[in-house]
Amino acid sequence: DAGVIQSPRHEVTEMGQEVTLRCKPISGHDYLFWYRQTMMRGLELLIYFNNNVPIDDSGMPEDRFSAKMPNASFSTLKIQPSEPRDSAVYFCASSRQGNSPLHFGNGTRLTVT
Amino acid sequence: GQQVMQIPQYQHVQEGEDFTTYCNSSTTLSNIQWYKQRPGGHPVFLIQLVKSGEVKKQKRLTFQFGEAKKNSSLHITATQTTDVGTYFCAASGSARQLTFGSGTQLTVLP
Repeated sequence: DAGVIQSPRHEVTEMGQEVTLRCKPISGHDYLFWYRQTMMRGLELLIYFNNNVPIDDSGMPEDRFSAKMPNASFSTLKIQPSEPRDSAVYFCASSRQGNSPLHFGNGTRLTVT
Repeated sequence: GQQVMQIPQYQHVQEGEDFTTYCNSSTTLSNIQWYKQRPGGHPVFLIQLVKSGEVKKQKRLTFQFGEAKKNSSLHITATQTTDVGTYFCAASGSARQLTFGSGTQLTVLP
């Protein structure tokens, strides 16, 4: 079991650029979650998928953020255009069922200058 | 989503002292989970509590779920430097997604 795999580990970009974060969940897990972690706001749920279908995206900050899950083994979180306030660590997590324990990836540390 | 309050925000202890973090909700929770995040790392699942009044132990860690299923605690006996990190509770109400508490950052002084 390779665990949840996220890429890249670090991303530094300039304001206005497009950023794409990637996630491969654990095989057999039906739920995929995107979280953002900052010192000020802690761990925030952005969006989650069940069987590749977005279920709740109420945590997505604004229209600049979008997420997709084209198949059971891949998801992306895109920010376009990026802003300095988007700087944070973005975690992807997966679970077998909705209330099952979450398995987190190592995260992507995003810095927007 | 479910709202959970976690206290304290920070805790500094001498190695060998005990540590407790508390998680409270104004509504009944279907279950509660606890996670540990080491500095620079990602949250790692520790345990899930489901039943009213449930108590579970993992070596020096004791987890409790309140009788009304509105609060929970994590107690560490005789802390060690390896216990350093941030401890999060995560609650699930009627919705399937977890809401994380703000976390308690534990520092253990040698």
